[in-house]
Amino acid sequence: EIVLTQSPGTLSLSPGERATLSCRASQGISSNALSWYQQKPGQAPRLLIYIASSRAPGIPDRFSGSGSGTDFTLTISRLEPEDFAVYYCQQYGSSLTFGGGTKVEIK
Amino acid sequence: EVQLLESGGALVQTGGSLRLSCAASGFTFSSYGMHWVRQAPGRGLEWVSSISGSGGDTYYADSVKGRLTISRDNSKNTLYLQMNSLRADDTAIYYCAKDPNYEGKKRFDFWGQGTLVSVSS
Repeated sequence: EIVLTQSPGTLSLSPGERATLSCRASQGISSNALSWYQQKPGQAPRLLIYIASSRAPGIPDRFSGSGSGTDFTLTISRLEPEDFAVYYCQQYGSSLTFGGGTKVEIK
Repeated sequence: EVQLLESGGALVQTGGSLRLSCAASGFTFSSYGMHWVRQAPGRGLEWVSSISGSGGDTYYADSVKGRLTISRDNSKNTLYLQMNSLRADDTAIYYCAKDPNYEGKKRFDFWGQGTLVSVSS
C-alpha cells in the first residue's frame, strides 16, 4: 500500500499570502496518479486537482498542482477567505489511499 | 447537474448490520464507477470500496474486506453498501462518490453530502 504523508499538519497564513502544501509518497506513483481535494467544515470534499497538475472544472487558477514520482505540491497563489479549509492528497496509482490532510487556517 | 444522495445511516449496535444507499442523478449512472469513502469523527478520509460501471468488478480496503459489500442497481441509479459485523471503528460519515471513469479505480469527481453511521455497544 502506498502511504501518503502530508506536511505541514497545519499552515497558519493570512489572506493574500501564498500557501504551499506537500504530499510525499512512500513509493513512486505511476502516471502522476495523484489528486487534491478541499474540505470545509460540515461539507463533503471537493476535487481540485487530478493527474498531479490538471485543475478540475470550475476550480480557480490560483490553485495549482505540481510534482512527480514521490513528491507532490499543491500551491494556492493568493489565499482568499474561502480557501481556509483542510486539503487532502489522494493517489490512484496503486489501489486508493489518502494523505492525512493539511489544515490551512487564518493567522 | 450531478447529484448524489446518501441514506440509511443510523445508530447500530456492535455486530449489527446496516445497508446504505446512494441515489444518483444528472449523469448516465451505468457508465461510471462509484465509490464509498468514510470519515471518522474529527479524522481524515478513508477509501472504503469501489465498483465498476457494470458492477462486475469490486474493490475493498483491507479494513472492511469480508464485512462490507458494495453493489449497484443500474436500473434504479442506486449504489449500495451492505455493512455486516459492524465494529466501533466503523463509526463515520459515509460518502458516496462518482469516478470519472468506467472502471472505478481513479478518483472522486463528485461527492454526496454523506450519511452518519454510529456503532455502539
